[in-house]
Amino acid sequence: DAGVIQSPRHEVTEMGQEVTLRCKPISGHNSLFWYRQTMMRGLELLIYFNNNVPIDDSGMPEDRFSAKMPNASFSTLKIQPSEPRDSAVYFCASSTGTLDTQYFGPGTRLTVL
Amino acid sequence: AQSVSQHNHHVILSEAASLELGCNYSYGGTVNLFWYVQYPGQHLQLLLKYFSGDPLVKGIKGFEAEFIKSKFSFNLRKPSVQWSDTAEYFCAVMGGSYIPTFGRGTSLIVHP
Repeated sequence: DAGVIQSPRHEVTEMGQEVTLRCKPISGHNSLFWYRQTMMRGLELLIYFNNNVPIDDSGMPEDRFSAKMPNASFSTLKIQPSEPRDSAVYFCASSTGTLDTQYFGPGTRLTVL
Repeated sequence: AQSVSQHNHHVILSEAASLELGCNYSYGGTVNLFWYVQYPGQHLQLLLKYFSGDPLVKGIKGFEAEFIKSKFSFNLRKPSVQWSDTAEYFCAVMGGSYIPTFGRGTSLIVHP
């Protein structure tokens, strides 16, 4: 299995621009998680999907952030407009169920200038 | 609400030294516990996990962890570290919410 796939691996953009991060979970996994990792705040859960439905989005920092999962094999995390404080590594993870091990993708390193 | 505390933020050891990283959690019910490792420039990957049964759990690369329910702890141990163990280590707890909560992580540097 290819594992969790994320794209792009690196993104550099200017403040105010729209950023879209993409994730392909492991086939057969029905839970998908988006995390943000920074030096200051560590690893934060942003949103969690189960069977393509958002279950908990309480970690989404503000309305500039949105996430979708149109089908079982694809999810996006969008930031519009982006700000320098959004600079971080964004990880996607998937699992076969809510109690199972999470498998993380390689992450997208976002830099907002 | 569940929470995780990793007391050691930075640990520096020489090769062959023994390692113990502390992890304490806060949750009153049944928990599932995890240790993940993040090698430099890489993504998080599972080291070991505890769901039930024997509280002493053995993982990959010689790591083990012991679940002590009375102390709400799940400390990670390795008897002899190697330079290649240099990484960030994260403890995670999953309680009633079925959503894992991660600790802030412990940065381990092993000098050759």
